[in-house]
Amino acid sequence: GAVVSQHPSWVICKSGTSVKIECRSLDFQATTMFWYRQFPKQSLMLMATSNEGSKATYEQGVEKDKFLINHASLTLSTLTVTSAHPEDSSFYICSARGPLGETQYFGPGTRLLVL
Amino acid sequence: DAKTTQPTSMDCAEGRAANLPCNHSTISGNEYVYWYRQIHSQGPQYIIHGLKNNETNEMASLIITEDRKSSTLILPHATLRDTAVYYCIAKNYGGATNKLIFGTGTLLAVQP
Repeated sequence: GAVVSQHPSWVICKSGTSVKIECRSLDFQATTMFWYRQFPKQSLMLMATSNEGSKATYEQGVEKDKFLINHASLTLSTLTVTSAHPEDSSFYICSARGPLGETQYFGPGTRLLVL
Repeated sequence: DAKTTQPTSMDCAEGRAANLPCNHSTISGNEYVYWYRQIHSQGPQYIIHGLKNNETNEMASLIITEDRKSSTLILPHATLRDTAVYYCIAKNYGGATNKLIFGTGTLLAVQP
């Protein structure tokens, strides 16, 4: 149980285009999901907290207009990187708060490469 | 959430127990100790969490000192597949935000 999936697993795009990443909780409902970013040889950095039916809460320094988050249902949150640039190339990971609120379960990650 | 301190890296021989330490001297009474690991190029995996009693599950054991200022994650019989970065995080159980803030973790290298 408590499985989280992400799609796509990797994506290559041209600079200036937008990319959407999906995060799904497969066997439980998640009112709260989280988005992280990880650069090579670095730890995970929390970008934002996504709450179903309300606006996301962004961490300091994260541009909300560039990283659009939509949590339209209890099993799906999406992250859209708008007008992507090479510096946005990173490993994006989502997580979902467990059904008992006890911990977070993570997706496998999406590797984004912007050319 | 309380700050945690972990060694940057550790080695362990395959088949032996891996003991990963974590210091959390400023942990508050309602903060749990959580352990996650991240195998290269994958999302983190939950391992175990505890408050003050020792905990054991199918993956590992968590030993928390009586004063709760430090803890040790024990992998009883390490395999090559246990090579990963292990993160120790102190945070409140549940709570309004339930945010997990990751430090630098310990890179455990299991040697054949």
